[in-house]
Amino acid sequence: NAGVTQTPKFRILKIGQSMTLQCAQDMNHNYMYWYRQDPGMGLKLIYYSVGAGITDKGEVPNGYNVSRSTTEDFPLRLELAAPSQTSVYFCASSYENRANTEAFFGQGTRLTVV
Amino acid sequence: TQLLEQSPQFLSIQEGENLTVYCNSSSVFSSLQWYRQEPGEGPVLLVTVVTGGEVKKLKRLTFQFGDARKDSSLHITAAQTGDTGLYLCLVNLNAGGTSYGKLTFGQGTILTVHP
Repeated sequence: NAGVTQTPKFRILKIGQSMTLQCAQDMNHNYMYWYRQDPGMGLKLIYYSVGAGITDKGEVPNGYNVSRSTTEDFPLRLELAAPSQTSVYFCASSYENRANTEAFFGQGTRLTVV
Repeated sequence: TQLLEQSPQFLSIQEGENLTVYCNSSSVFSSLQWYRQEPGEGPVLLVTVVTGGEVKKLKRLTFQFGDARKDSSLHITAAQTGDTGLYLCLVNLNAGGTSYGKLTFGQGTILTVHP
């Protein structure tokens, strides 16, 4: 059971380039989330999804887009990379929307924009 | 303004010392979770507290949910170097209702335990 898998683990982008961060989970979870974590800081919610075909904005959605065509996959798209998007990105998933449901996290994608 | 205020932001102590980390809010929550994150890894769930006044123990870690369910604390007794990491509190906004759920973290407390 792989859990939540993120690819790539590391990436360097030039300003203005685009890329897609991949996230896949094999736990049949309905809820999926994308966070960014700046050095020494907590995690800020970018986008989340409550099921295939449904996505919504979190705290810091600007500069990002998501899609959820299947239950398993939740890719995060950066269209025009900016230095401010240098961060570590974490994908997470959970089975239910109950208050005590555990969220499972991937190992992160470390992105540097130069 | 931050929904969840964690304090202190940084904590550097010697092995064997005790410490307490706080997670405070002006909002009431149906539950609150504590996660721990090690360098290069994603956060991992430590505990969920649900009832006001609830105390849960996990070996040397003691978690408490405030009576009014607005705050929580994490106390570590006799800290070890293996306790080093980032400690995060998390709440699920709109959980259990018809609205969507947003998992929202506090800023985190970076704990460094020196040998």
